[in-house]
Amino acid sequence: KQEVTQIPAALSVPEGENLVLNCSFTDSAIYNLQWFRQDPGKGLTSLLLIQSSQREQTSGRLNASLDKSSGRSTLYIAASQPGDSATYLCAVPTLDSWGKLQFGAGTQVVVTP
Amino acid sequence: DAGVIQSPRHEVTEMGQEVTLRCKPISGHDYLFWYRQTMMRGLELLIYFNNNVPIDDSGMPEDRFSAKMPNASFSTLKIQPSEPRDSAVYFCASSRTSGGAWEQFFGPGTRLTVL
Repeated sequence: KQEVTQIPAALSVPEGENLVLNCSFTDSAIYNLQWFRQDPGKGLTSLLLIQSSQREQTSGRLNASLDKSSGRSTLYIAASQPGDSATYLCAVPTLDSWGKLQFGAGTQVVVTP
Repeated sequence: DAGVIQSPRHEVTEMGQEVTLRCKPISGHDYLFWYRQTMMRGLELLIYFNNNVPIDDSGMPEDRFSAKMPNASFSTLKIQPSEPRDSAVYFCASSRTSGGAWEQFFGPGTRLTVL
């Protein structure tokens, strides 16, 4: 059974510092990996999706890398801003059912001005 | 470009009442997902559809829960009778398989409180 872990559970950084968020998964036979952002009381916003054939994906200040062999993905957010404060979740499709995503518990990020 | 639309945004009901949650997926998407999120259990997939057909309902907690997708632009999740432990935020999400992307897009959620 695929298990997804995100460490740390919470992170606080001063504005301007780069953020590094980690996601690990137990089975490397993944189809893709998706990063989401969730603001308090809101739904999930898709940030980046990395296909299994890709090693990284970039969108603005966000960069996500994928290393299937080691079962890890890292989300980098450059020059963090208070508006980046949110919970960040990663998710991978499960092995037994297409479309069923296995989510990590998330990393709660606070960027202080 | 409208995203996934859910209604109502908030629902407060009493134990034993029927609750119906509604979802309109993004136009052109062929997959629709219902999730539940609680502090204790995080995000759980309840059921998902492909081309209006239920594919996997193994996450539906019990027979009190049912979901339908009568057409490509509408789905409902019904709880009858509702219980306090059903209190949670229910999300609908959709995706499309063209290009093999499988990226899921979530709606704003329905916050359900069962008293």
